[in-house]
Amino acid sequence: DAKTTQPPSMDCAEGRAANLPCNHSTISGNEYVYWYRQIHSQGPQYIIHGLKNNETNEMASLIITEDRKSSTLILPHATLRDTAVYYCIVRVPSVIQGAQKLVFGQGTRLTINP
Amino acid sequence: DSGVTQTPKHLITATGQRVTLRCSPRSGDLSVYWYQQSLDQGLQFLIQYYNGEERAKGNILERFSAQQFPDLHSELNLSSLELGDSALYFCASSPRDSLLLSGANVLTFGAGSRLTVL
Repeated sequence: DAKTTQPPSMDCAEGRAANLPCNHSTISGNEYVYWYRQIHSQGPQYIIHGLKNNETNEMASLIITEDRKSSTLILPHATLRDTAVYYCIVRVPSVIQGAQKLVFGQGTRLTINP
Repeated sequence: DSGVTQTPKHLITATGQRVTLRCSPRSGDLSVYWYQQSLDQGLQFLIQYYNGEERAKGNILERFSAQQFPDLHSELNLSSLELGDSALYFCASSPRDSLLLSGANVLTFGAGSRLTVL
C-alpha cells in the first residue's frame, strides 16, 4: 500500500541539522505529503505537511522538489528528544470509492547521538 | 495531551476472549481512525468513520468490528482473540472526511491501548 520510500535508519549528531529524505515518485497532483514521527511506543505525532511549496513550522521544514517526486524533512537543530521513527506519508485510495486512507510505511529510524 | 483519549491504556486477556477499546476524538473532529501496531511493526490502518458512517477500510479482520456513536466516540471490538492480536491499537481523529479528495487532512493520534493476549 505504501507509496513512499525512506531509508530504514539514519544517525545525526546532536545540534546538527537532520535531513530525512523521502521518495514519492507516484504522487498525484493534488496529494499532500505528510510527515509524522513516533517516539518509542507513543502515538504518532504530526510534524508538517505540504503540497508544492516548501513549508516551515516550529518543529521542522519541509522541502519538496519541483517535480514533487521527493521531499526532505529538516530538523534544524536536532536534540536527543528527536530520536524517533519518522514517517513520510501520502494518502492512498481505499476500497470504498472516493475515500482515501493514510497508510504508514516502515519509516526512518532517526538516532540523535550526543 | 493530544486531545484524543483512548481507554484502557493497558489490557491483558486470554485467547478466545472479546475486548472493547474506546476512543474519544479531539473536540470538533468528526472522523475517527483505528490503527494496529504489532511489536516492531509499522502502523496498519484498520478502519475509519466519519460522523457515524464507515468511510475507509484497511485489512481489518472479520473478528474485528468498529462503530462510531452519535456523540462521535468510537469503539473497536476484538473477538475470538488470538496471540497474534497482541499489539498497540491507536485511535486518531481529524476534522475532515476522507471522501474529500482535495485539501489536507491532518490526523491527531491518541496514546494508544496496549493489548496483551495470553
